[in-house]
Amino acid sequence: EIVLTQSPGTLSLSPGERATLSCRASQSVSSSYLAWYQQKPGQAPSLLIHTVSNRAAGTPDRFSGSGSGTDFTLTISGLEPEDFAVYYCQHYGSSRFTFGPGTKVDIK
Amino acid sequence: EVQLVESGGGLVQPGGSLRLSCAASGFTFTSYAMYWVRQAPGKGLEWVSYISSSSWTIHYADSVKGRFTISRDNAKKSLYLQMNSLRDEDTAVYYCTKEYYYDSPYGMDVWGQGTTVTVSS
Repeated sequence: EIVLTQSPGTLSLSPGERATLSCRASQSVSSSYLAWYQQKPGQAPSLLIHTVSNRAAGTPDRFSGSGSGTDFTLTISGLEPEDFAVYYCQHYGSSRFTFGPGTKVDIK
Repeated sequence: EVQLVESGGGLVQPGGSLRLSCAASGFTFTSYAMYWVRQAPGKGLEWVSYISSSSWTIHYADSVKGRFTISRDNAKKSLYLQMNSLRDEDTAVYYCTKEYYYDSPYGMDVWGQGTTVTVSS
């Protein structure tokens, strides 16, 4: 069973700064099945990135995804006020869908 | 507008049953796989179950296997989750979600607002 680990648990940054979020898998995973979600307080999650690096409809281009094998990264090039939220990575493999524990990006 | 609306949540005693429903609109329901994902209070996201567009392929998380049953009625554009033998740890907001790309597990691009299930005596 693949386990996803996200780091850091909390990232404290100021608006305009660059955010780099990590998602690490316990074993090599298929890049086709790695996605990122954003969840704001009191709201359902929303899909940001699918298949590692492809932005979902409506995702601003300041969000980018990269990685392969066991290490994946979500980068926010310049934080906007609406980007302070929790971010989850998610993978599919062996008939299971796994979410990472999340990274909270909060205002410094 | 693409929309998913869950219903059926509520308070139930341990060992009890509940059936969640999800009404879909604004997209070709018959073409897409669907999921249930839950979130316990103050916790992260946990995938619960997956069903392909034709219901041919179904998967469950180990935590609910043997107790929960996912199903869909394509004619009614509806997704269901029958939950039996409920436990305290099943307490969560349950989200109905849609696959981004047909039956390929690339991601969940539409989420409902969630329905709350509370298991407590």
